[in-house]
Amino acid sequence: EVQLVESGGGLVQPGDSLRLSCAASGFTFTDYWMTWVRQAPGKGLEWVANIRQDGSEKYYVDAVKGRFTISRDNAKNSLSLQMNSLGAEDTAVYYCAKIYYSGAWPHFDYWGQGTLVTVSS
Amino acid sequence: SYVLTQPPSVSVAPGKTARITCGGDNIGSYSVHWYQQRLGQAPVLVIYDDSDRPSGIPERFSGSNSGNTATLTISRVEVGDEADYYCQVWDSSTDHYVFGAGTKVTVL
Repeated sequence: EVQLVESGGGLVQPGDSLRLSCAASGFTFTDYWMTWVRQAPGKGLEWVANIRQDGSEKYYVDAVKGRFTISRDNAKNSLSLQMNSLGAEDTAVYYCAKIYYSGAWPHFDYWGQGTLVTVSS
Repeated sequence: SYVLTQPPSVSVAPGKTARITCGGDNIGSYSVHWYQQRLGQAPVLVIYDDSDRPSGIPERFSGSNSGNTATLTISRVEVGDEADYYCQVWDSSTDHYVFGAGTKVTVL
């Protein structure tokens, strides 16, 4: 059974940093791209970043480029998101998800339960 | 960047059919995926590649995609189908993912 379990969320002040983690199990982690998606309170889903199987390619939404860094530890089946210079606009539930390529088109076939990040003074 | 447009809400009576649209410029040339998010829960994939269902998703859920509109159809709607539904595509030119704003389905 595929399981994705996020951790590391919490209440931080504007300008602070926070590191989120996602523990993956139930599938061969090294075979898949992985991604972070966030959802601000009462809002829709927003893709944040994704990372190739070996970590050699990373992509970010413009809103977090230069502040957030996605990474993975394939030895530990773990995905991370380092978030720096946090602002109120980063307040959201952060989900990690597994990316599956059906042919040439990827989608997010499994999601974690999310971890809440609140940025407030 | 690519934009997906969904109606904010759709209301449907139990047993009837709900249709949720997702508009985008020439969206028929993309592969569209749909996610269901019940209140307080994580999203769940219900349709991928326009019309394929993951295992465990009822046949009542179907999808289509042509021209400038993709559609998620829920037949014989049940109270348990009440949720937010999001369409999503992948922009291969940027390797970015785009979600629609979501449609709240209310079962009357």
